[in-house]
Amino acid sequence: RKEVEQDPGPFNVPEGATVAFNCTYSNSASQSFFWYRQDCRKEPKLLMSVYSSGNEDGRFTAQLNRASQYISLLIRDSKLSDSATYLCVVNMIDPRGSYIPTFGRGTSLIVHP
Amino acid sequence: GAGVSQSPSNKVTEKGKDVELRCDPISGHTALYWYRQSLGQGLEFLIYFQGNSAPDKSGLPSDRFSAERTGGSVSTLTIQRTQQEDSAVYLCASNLFENTEAFFGQGTRLTVV
Repeated sequence: RKEVEQDPGPFNVPEGATVAFNCTYSNSASQSFFWYRQDCRKEPKLLMSVYSSGNEDGRFTAQLNRASQYISLLIRDSKLSDSATYLCVVNMIDPRGSYIPTFGRGTSLIVHP
Repeated sequence: GAGVSQSPSNKVTEKGKDVELRCDPISGHTALYWYRQSLGQGLEFLIYFQGNSAPDKSGLPSDRFSAERTGGSVSTLTIQRTQQEDSAVYLCASNLFENTEAFFGQGTRLTVV
């Protein structure tokens, strides 16, 4: 079982649609959670951190459910420019006690006119 | 510098040759990570440096891979006797403190022919 699992998609949606991505993680001791965005042939870039209380940044809402070890990202009013791969990232503690950013394989989003 | 800097951006090498990839993290960032991303795949953790502590090498795929970090700043990832399966994008990331968000360089695209 992978440590961080995501539905790879692709999610193919029209402009203006609302789309939700889910992610599950295996290590209950994980401390910090993030969503990153990766455009084709580019490096991953931080989209937003994810807090237990849930947090919103414009059209993007992230939620964390520690009991279920589940993270979500909701994108409202999708734009063409939202087309990218969305990576779920969990800082997992390793046997040495270090926190290693551990990535899911990513969910591909394609927004079409 | 303003961001994480990696060099070279592209490297083509012959099978069996050694290569060195360089990463210059954001100034003041104590933690540095190396990842590998093969075509269409997620990020695979390779190695982690935290301050002056011994590195976490648990992700290195074979003894042909090694890395060092001099003076707590610049890091070099060395791949000896390269194989075709080493072809990938090698990404470096740094963060200010462990367990915070990581910032990525643009990566080195390695092609072994």
